[in-house]
Amino acid sequence: DSGVTQTPKHLITATGQRVTLRCSPRSGDLSVYWYQQSLDQGLQFLIQYYNGEERAKGNILERFSAQQFPDLHSELNLSSLELGDSALYFCASSVGVGYGYTFGSGTRLTVV
Amino acid sequence: GNSVTQMEGPVTLSEEAFLTINCTYTATGYPSLFWYVQYPGEGLQLLLKATKADDKGSNKGFEATYRKETTSFHLEKGSVQVSDSAVYFCALSSSSGGGADGLTFGKGTHLIIQP
Repeated sequence: DSGVTQTPKHLITATGQRVTLRCSPRSGDLSVYWYQQSLDQGLQFLIQYYNGEERAKGNILERFSAQQFPDLHSELNLSSLELGDSALYFCASSVGVGYGYTFGSGTRLTVV
Repeated sequence: GNSVTQMEGPVTLSEEAFLTINCTYTATGYPSLFWYVQYPGEGLQLLLKATKADDKGSNKGFEATYRKETTSFHLEKGSVQVSDSAVYFCALSSSSGGGADGLTFGKGTHLIIQP
């Protein structure tokens, strides 16, 4: 157990739908990062939050949004889902810049 | 922008063989460098890291040295085991200030160790 908890582990939904992925960071970590892993794109950085505030944005689509709550857990919202959104979505947390991340075990999203 | 290039796999070796997985990077400033490992069905785990030039990161028999002159961070292990079979990712973190430090990953190298 890495200390980063992601739910659900698996999600199957239809095109056009909206889903929410949840992440609880490791205790004491203030930064939360979201990544998308697919076979063709590899690991793509989506977004970073630090203590409730957005700090960095990567290749995140406008249909996707995220937030970090006062208890530091984070949610990634994916809407108007397309087949191409099928991927593994990882959350990671970190205590600070340059320390490396601790990853959760991921949510496998399948859009049918 | 930042980028990481690592050798494509799969890389297949026999047990006890010497391992090298090449990684080169492009980045502005002075990035921190990392190797992560992903076992089947799991998330990525930090294997080792180096935060400045000439630093050597090491863990579980794996080593990598931060070479600024060649912008490289090659992963090595002297004698691999079947349990080392996994996907290995090279990554860099280049802080853009304000606590923003999204990691940039290479595409990953699938390592297969045969008994």
